[in-house]
This record gives sequence, C-alpha cells and structure tokens, in this order.
Amino acid sequence: QVQLVQSGAEVKKPGASVKVSCKASGYTFTGYYMHWVRQAPGQGLEWMGWINPNSGGTNYAQKFQGWVTMTRDTSISTAYMELSRLRSDDTAVYYCARGNLIFGVVTALFDYWGQGTLVTVSS
Amino acid sequence: QSALTQPASVSGSPGQSITISCTGTSSDVGGYNYVSWYQQHPGKAPKLMIYDVSKRPSGVSNRFSGSKSGNTASLTISGLQAEDEADYYCCSYAGSSTFVVFGGGTKLTVL
Repeated sequence: QVQLVQSGAEVKKPGASVKVSCKASGYTFTGYYMHWVRQAPGQGLEWMGWINPNSGGTNYAQKFQGWVTMTRDTSISTAYMELSRLRSDDTAVYYCARGNLIFGVVTALFDYWGQGTLVTVSS
Repeated sequence: QSALTQPASVSGSPGQSITISCTGTSSDVGGYNYVSWYQQHPGKAPKLMIYDVSKRPSGVSNRFSGSKSGNTASLTISGLQAEDEADYYCCSYAGSSTFVVFGGGTKLTVL
C-alpha cells in the first residue's frame, strides 16, 4: 500500500533553516509528482510547490520562491523540502502529498499524504 | 484570506444531507474541471474525498459526491454519520502560474 513517512518534529530559531524528509513506499517513486503543503496552527492548507522525482524539476508557489528548495534522492525514494530564513509565522505542520502521474497533466490532486511534520520556530 | 470561499461551518443531524459550497473565479473553479475535496479530522492528515469535480477515489463512500456550476463547486454528504464530523477543504487547479488554490475550510458538525 502507498505510504509516505515523514521525519520528526523540529524546533528551530528564527533565521535558521529546516529540512523535512518524506520517504515513499508502495509505488514507483519516480512515477508521480510530490507536493508539499503546509498548515499553520488552526489555519487552512497552503500549497508550497511540487517536485518531479523523475527529472528533479520543481515548481514553487510564488510566495516561496527563493526561500524553499525541494529535492529528492531516487535511490531511497525520498523527497525533501528545505525552508530557509525561518520566521515565527513559518510555524506549521508540513505535509508531503503524492500528486498526478508525471506523464499526465498536473492538477489539484493529492491522493496520499504523509503524517505531517510539525516545525516550530521560536527564539 | 483564502483564494476560494467556503462557509466557516455547517451542521446536520445523522441521516440528513448537507452541502458545502466553494466559490472561486473563472481563473480557477470556473476555468477547469480540476476541483478536489479533502476531509481532515483533528490532528490527522487530509484525506482525498473527491477529485476532478465529481470522481470518488477507491474506498471513499458513495455518500460523498461533488459537482460544479460556474465558479462554484459543491460537496454533498448524504446520510450523515458521526464519523463525518471533520474539516473539509476544497482545492482547485488555477493554471500553470498559480497552480492550485485552497478554500479556507468548513467545519462540519454532526448534531
């Protein structure tokens, strides 16, 4: 069965960076887009961007351009999301979510989600 | 402020039907047949309930259905059950530049 298992909670100081991992299993990792979505405490969902695990190509939401980096390691079926220059309002649960097949149209489809990683930014 | 507008809360009694609306623009909901809906229980990850406006993933109850008219998409839950109590989010493709937008979420209470 498809599973996305994320790394554990992090506590960071303002200005630091955080790197969250998402290990995929149960499907061909390079065959589907991987997205990152975050949710601030008590707030809604916010799409951050996607990575094509096959090519390594990325597409970031305009808000996060220059600030987020998405990478992958195909040898271990793992995607990564690194957010730099953290601020207190980056405190949120960060989710990875599987998207469409890479050889199809990329749409608003997130069919499997990781369990979420809480990133707390506090001095 | 979210790009898509959802009611903050809806409620219904067991066995009843409810509908949650999701209003966007011609640049997102109205422009593409790529609207999806997610259910989120407290402390849990979202779960895909509807995609491509009205398609149900395998394993999702047929009590959940989706539709769209113009710039407004809707999620209908029939035969409400206690386990349906959760937050529901709509999401729409919004073109290659913006890509996707989410609604602000609707809290469903089963009375």
